[in-house]
Amino acid sequence: GAGVSQSPRYKVTKRGQDVTLRCDPISSHATLYWYQQALGQGPEFLTYFNYEAQPDKSGLPSDRFSAERPEGSISTLTIQRTEQRDSAMYRCASSLSASGGHEQFFGPGTRLTVL
Amino acid sequence: AQSVTQLGSHVSVSEGALVLLRCNYSSSVPPYLFWYVQYPNQGLQLLLKYTSAATLVKGINGFEAEFKKSETSFHLTKPSAHMSDAAEYFCAVGRAGGGADGLTFGKGTHLIIQP
Repeated sequence: GAGVSQSPRYKVTKRGQDVTLRCDPISSHATLYWYQQALGQGPEFLTYFNYEAQPDKSGLPSDRFSAERPEGSISTLTIQRTEQRDSAMYRCASSLSASGGHEQFFGPGTRLTVL
Repeated sequence: AQSVTQLGSHVSVSEGALVLLRCNYSSSVPPYLFWYVQYPNQGLQLLLKYTSAATLVKGINGFEAEFKKSETSFHLTKPSAHMSDAAEYFCAVGRAGGGADGLTFGKGTHLIIQP
């Protein structure tokens, strides 16, 4: 696609529910990143994919968080048993490759509110 | 480990005045450095990046930044502010030399332009 898209743009859920966020990267991009951005903070790295491989999960806050990219394109981030502290903007980015010098193109984000 | 410090959560300048947004980083390996801008309800957009070529980097919209290794700084400047520059600005560091741990972002600086 022309840019990175994310859906839904806004999600309100109740504590204890599971949520799944979706990211559709730029079609030629091998690498996809997920970030969490709390209000008033910069984005914090969660995890990334090289095609369908997920080399680094170190930023995921707990085992309630998981991500997939089964066909090396669209990715989903799932949060199980949501808690109020999970409320944040979740941003997806993609880049041509995993080389650190490549620009990461960001989507508009999904704002998650856990009541 | 990498970290980024942005001095000043809010910076206010008059239209036409010099813009200076400060960024200091720490990195155990040669860094890649980035400045991103975030407009309301939009994703992060790359302004410029440093990847060990020229130390003075020119970006979009008249912005530039200078990499100073001795000061571990990568401050963002623009000679003359426009009202359209009002936004949130993030400095970020990436790991050079391979690997893709994702970017480490500062907390951001909100730039306010006074008419």
